[in-house]
Amino acid sequence: AQSVSQHNHHVILSEAASLELGCNYSYGGTVNLFWYVQYPGQHLQLLLKYFSGDPLVKGIKGFEAEFIKSKFSFNLRKPSVQWSDTAEYFCAVNALGFQKLVFGTGTRLLVSP
Amino acid sequence: KAGVTQTPRYLIKTRGQQVTLSCSPISGHRSVSWYQQTPGQGLQFLFEYFSETQRNKGNFPGRFSGRQFSNSRSEMNVSTLELGDSALYLCASSLSGQGIVTGELFFGEGSRLTVL
Repeated sequence: AQSVSQHNHHVILSEAASLELGCNYSYGGTVNLFWYVQYPGQHLQLLLKYFSGDPLVKGIKGFEAEFIKSKFSFNLRKPSVQWSDTAEYFCAVNALGFQKLVFGTGTRLLVSP
Repeated sequence: KAGVTQTPRYLIKTRGQQVTLSCSPISGHRSVSWYQQTPGQGLQFLFEYFSETQRNKGNFPGRFSGRQFSNSRSEMNVSTLELGDSALYLCASSLSGQGIVTGELFFGEGSRLTVL
């Protein structure tokens, strides 16, 4: 069965600090990978996605993620966070051939101004 | 256009009762999936429907069930409620049947269930 691990449950950063949130998945086959974000009081929304090709993908609001197949990882990065990035971030994986999306437990990011 | 609408937004039940939650997808969307969100477990997949057919189901007991109607609206039901069922239940819709594969899901605000 597929599973997703997000090791950082809570992260606190100051504005302008760099961000990296870890995500590891367990599945040996082909996967589609996603990061979703839930801003306070808002709907969960897609931040970025990886299907194939360039392992470095760019999403909205300056976020990017790198797929490292050998490490089964898909870490989320942002060079300089803003107060408005305060949110909960979820990594998710879809294993090819399965009509199922598996989420990690989420990481709560608090950016202090 | 209107987003995904979930009703009720909040509800309180007692152990042993049953509950029905409703999800109206974005107009034209044919796929609906359901998730349970709790602080410790994150989002856990419950089931996914496309054109009234359940295509996949998560690892939840049989007390959790769902269905989709011909107008794509979906309901989920939880019978014999337990304290551990307290959670935010999220519904997501997608235009095609591949939203779960492409990640192009539109989430509702959720129904927050508290079981006492």
